[in-house]
Amino acid sequence: KNQVEQSPQSLIILEGKNCTLQCNYTVSPFSNLRWYKQDTGRGPVSLTIMTFSENTKSNGRYTATLDADTKQSSLHITASQLSDSASYICVVSAGNNDMRFGAGTRLTVKP
Amino acid sequence: DAGVIQSPRHEVTEMGQEVTLRCKPISGHNSLFWYRQTMMRGLELLIYFNNNVPIDDSGMPEDRFSAKMPNASFSTLKIQPSEPRDSAVYFCASTIQVGTEAFFGQGTRLTVV
Repeated sequence: KNQVEQSPQSLIILEGKNCTLQCNYTVSPFSNLRWYKQDTGRGPVSLTIMTFSENTKSNGRYTATLDADTKQSSLHITASQLSDSASYICVVSAGNNDMRFGAGTRLTVKP
Repeated sequence: DAGVIQSPRHEVTEMGQEVTLRCKPISGHNSLFWYRQTMMRGLELLIYFNNNVPIDDSGMPEDRFSAKMPNASFSTLKIQPSEPRDSAVYFCASTIQVGTEAFFGQGTRLTVV
């Protein structure tokens, strides 16, 4: 069973709109959580990292949140651009140096 | 640094043939990972090395898959014999140490016909 579940599986929004992607995990013991962006035909690239003590972190128009109690994270994208079209992958690292990947959310931003 | 370098970028082979994928990690990175990505299953960890030593190969699907890391700057993933269900994009990633940011290569798109 995948220990990192992402939703929705895919999402289509209009340019300029906001959206929120979800990540629920059961990985334990928790070390950190990263959101990666994967453009078509390329490898994933890290957007943000969240540690246990962090609740929110921003990187430009991307804001990640973490609730370690409920084991949930979200990635909020503000004022979407066409270049935001990509897959967004949630990766949770365990204290035993294990990394677990979610299946990703495929975001399409349309003009 | 040029980042993680994988070769080839694309590989088309016939069922039953041997396939070798290559990876050069970022210099100074101590951990190297091989992943497989398909539409159905997303990114799956196949195996990872720490200081050239295989640590966890539980993701390697079958004995047809093998991986080596003879030195800190080179790793191979071999499939022998290849099957159509092996068709996927294979990514290599490296990190300074496990748990830190993973830097991915461009991937190798493998098609087995």
